[in-house]
Amino acid sequence: AQSVTQPDIHITVSEGASLELRCNYSYGATPYLFWYVQSPGQGLQLLLKYFSGDTLVQGIKGFEAEFKRSQSSFNLRKPSVHWSDAAEYFCAVGAGSQGNLIFGKGTKLSVKP
Amino acid sequence: DAGVIQSPRHEVTEMGQEVTLRCKPISGHNSLFWYRQTMMRGLELLIYFNNNVPIDDSGMPEDRFSAKMPNASFSTLKIQPSEPRDSAVYFCASSLRGSGANVLTFGAGSRLTVL
Repeated sequence: AQSVTQPDIHITVSEGASLELRCNYSYGATPYLFWYVQSPGQGLQLLLKYFSGDTLVQGIKGFEAEFKRSQSSFNLRKPSVHWSDAAEYFCAVGAGSQGNLIFGKGTKLSVKP
Repeated sequence: DAGVIQSPRHEVTEMGQEVTLRCKPISGHNSLFWYRQTMMRGLELLIYFNNNVPIDDSGMPEDRFSAKMPNASFSTLKIQPSEPRDSAVYFCASSLRGSGANVLTFGAGSRLTVL
């Protein structure tokens, strides 16, 4: 069965520091992978997605993620965090033949001034 | 486009009452999803529709929950009777399902509190 693990429930980083949020997935074939961000009281906004091709994908707001098949990982990175990046981040996996996405439990990011 | 529209944004009701949540997907999208978000269980898929037809409702908790999509521009999620454990944020999402993967666009959610 498909599953997504985000090992870190809560991460705190200083503004300007680099960020890496971890995501591991379980899926039998080549997965479609996503990162979404949720600000308090809001819905989920797509940051970036991986379908195929280049394993390093760029997203909005300066985020990027790298697909590593050997590690079943799709970690999200940002070189310099801004206070406005404080939010909850969700990794998700989807199958092309099915419609739905399976989400991880999320990682809450706090940013220190 | 106005995005996925959900109503109400907040609902407070008493146990035993009927609750109806509404969703208007993005025009032209042919798939619609209902998710529930709680602290304990995270984001769970309840049901999804393709071309207004329910495809997978295995995530619907029990018979108290029902969902309909009478046309391409409207869906409802109904809980009858409601219970305190139904308190959660309910999200609707839509997508244009083609030959590739789905990119879901989410609404702002409906926060339900059952007292």
